[in-house]
Amino acid sequence: DQQVKQNSPSLSVQEGRISILNCDYTNSMFDYFLWYKKYPAEGPTFLISISSIKDKNEDGRFTVFLNKSAKHLSLHIVPSQPGDSAVYFCAASARETSGSRLTFGEGTQLTVNP
Amino acid sequence: KAGVTQTPRYLIKTRGQQVTLSCSPISGHRSVSWYQQTPGQGLQFLFEYFSETQRNKGNFPGRFSGRQFSNSRSEMNVSTLELGDSALYLCASSSRRGTNYGYTFGSGTRLTVV
Repeated sequence: DQQVKQNSPSLSVQEGRISILNCDYTNSMFDYFLWYKKYPAEGPTFLISISSIKDKNEDGRFTVFLNKSAKHLSLHIVPSQPGDSAVYFCAASARETSGSRLTFGEGTQLTVNP
Repeated sequence: KAGVTQTPRYLIKTRGQQVTLSCSPISGHRSVSWYQQTPGQGLQFLFEYFSETQRNKGNFPGRFSGRQFSNSRSEMNVSTLELGDSALYLCASSSRRGTNYGYTFGSGTRLTVV
């Protein structure tokens, strides 16, 4: 039962353009969402998060949008840079019931072309 | 400050053997979580330890076990290895329990079962 899904295994964009990575979830108990970036041979690195009481959170070039009614979130990267090329994981948690446990999606490989 | 250290980085084992992986969290971090990453499956939660006690456990068979020591270092053990246990095993630490406190991941241990 995949409670967090990233339906696009890969995404390719041009440098300077916007990258939009999508994530859907099924568990209505999830109340905190995170995005991680992972380079080969390294562990995931935290990017940005959002609580379910918000619908948008922004940090520099990264913005996460949450649509609770659609159980959908997205990560926008503007402008995209070649160094952003990595695998991006969406993760969710139900803090009341599952504490520190994160449920991850399968990841999306982002390639930013110069 | 030093990050999360996982040893060894790479490991090759034979089916039926057992293996122990080690994780040293960031100094002062008391929460340690373990995840398994396999191709197409994203990261799947194994277990979480806090103050030497297992606080949360994922849906893995009893062959997977772990422990945490008084200095917060953690080990995970897999007994009677199967080919399907080949994966990247990631450890993450945090100063407190709860996903909104931020988890720092190590670079992982790549386990290959032959």
